[in-house]
Formats: sequence, structure tokens, C-alpha cells
Amino acid sequence: TAVTQEPAFSVSPGGTVTLTCGLSSGSVSSTYYPSWYQQTPGQAPRTLIYSTNIRSSGVPDRFSGSILGNKAALTITGAQADDESDYYCLLDMGSGNYVFGSGTRVTVL
Amino acid sequence: QVLLVQSGAEVKKPGSSVKVSCKTSGGDFNSYAINWVRQAPGQGLEWVGRIIPLLGSASLAQKFQGRVTITADMSTSTAYMELTTLKSEDTAVFFCARGEALDIWGQGTMVTVSS
Repeated sequence: TAVTQEPAFSVSPGGTVTLTCGLSSGSVSSTYYPSWYQQTPGQAPRTLIYSTNIRSSGVPDRFSGSILGNKAALTITGAQADDESDYYCLLDMGSGNYVFGSGTRVTVL
Repeated sequence: QVLLVQSGAEVKKPGSSVKVSCKTSGGDFNSYAINWVRQAPGQGLEWVGRIIPLLGSASLAQKFQGRVTITADMSTSTAYMELTTLKSEDTAVFFCARGEALDIWGQGTMVTVSS
């Protein structure tokens, strides 16, 4: 089962964008404990959200996580220039097995 | 402040092995999972496996079973990831990350496989 994400999104400064994280077969629910990571080139990832909607320490509240329909979602409200990054979701598939999504590149312009 | 510090870059020949370390400082090591994540050049993140030091046993993504060994030394608060039978396609940055939420990350270790 693959974890699917949109390849790319573009958002205007101050705008709102919602990224999703789905399964090639089945639905994502909170039992997959979805988490979200932000990565800029050459840097280690930064944890934004874990357990669906819990913000990691120091993460601004313009980042929020949820379940939308049959997918996990990351919403950026009031996008800023430094939100331009790659975003990855991670799902707990159970039995100590985890899978990253393919990533979404967000451009702010 | 919890820090994860990884070992330095490695250049290896095809067919050889590499062992990358990840040392935890400033916090509990034994109770938290240490995850390993691979990122090939220009590619996305790939979960390799993890270990909870207190439990000792590791879990691995299916594609790495048989080639990856993850261990932990509680006396030095250091986790290790060994990858054997290296191929050019294994050229990547390897990250360690702590906990169920992978909330603290190491700086990454570049492993280059080249003849």
C-alpha cells in the first residue's frame, strides 16, 4: 500500500493551502497516527504535526492537522514566504511499520 | 535540550558495508524509539526501521530486511544502523529521529557508494 500526496501546490502569500495524505488502498484515520514534516533543501526534516493534529513544540498555529474524508490533511493558513518547502506525511501502518508519503512541494508566490 | 548527533560522511565501495551512529544527549535514550530514515539525492524520505533501546528488538521496512541491522548501546546512548552489500543506489543521506513522532532529528549522514 502506497501513501499518496499531491506532487506540488502553489499558494499566494497570506493564502491557505491544504495538503492531503491518502492510501492507494483504503482510508486514513486517526489510528494511523498521521504526522507531518517540513523539509528545505540540505536540511533535516522538521516535525510539524503528530498524532493527526498535535503541533510539535515551537510550530506556529498557522499549521494545523486533521482528517478530511478518507485522508489526513495539513492546512497552512496565512502562508508565508518561508513556508516554501517540501512536506511529507508519515503513517503508522501498525506492527512497528511506518511509511512516508511521496512528498508535496509547496511554492509561495 | 535533547540532541541527536550522527557520525560523519562515508564513502564506500559497492559490496561493502557501512555503519552509521546516532548519539543522544540531553535526555532519556532508553525509552524512546530511534528511527532511521533514508533520502536519496533529489528524492523523498523513506522509513528504514527503528529500535526501542529498552526492548532491544528492531523493526524494519520490508525492503531493507536482510540488509539492514539496527542496534542500540544503552551504555553510550548510541544507536547504530548498518547497511550491507552496498549498491550505488544506496547513495543517500541517512537520518536518525527520536520517538513515535520523530520529533527530534539528527543532522544526517551522507553515505556515498562508488567504485
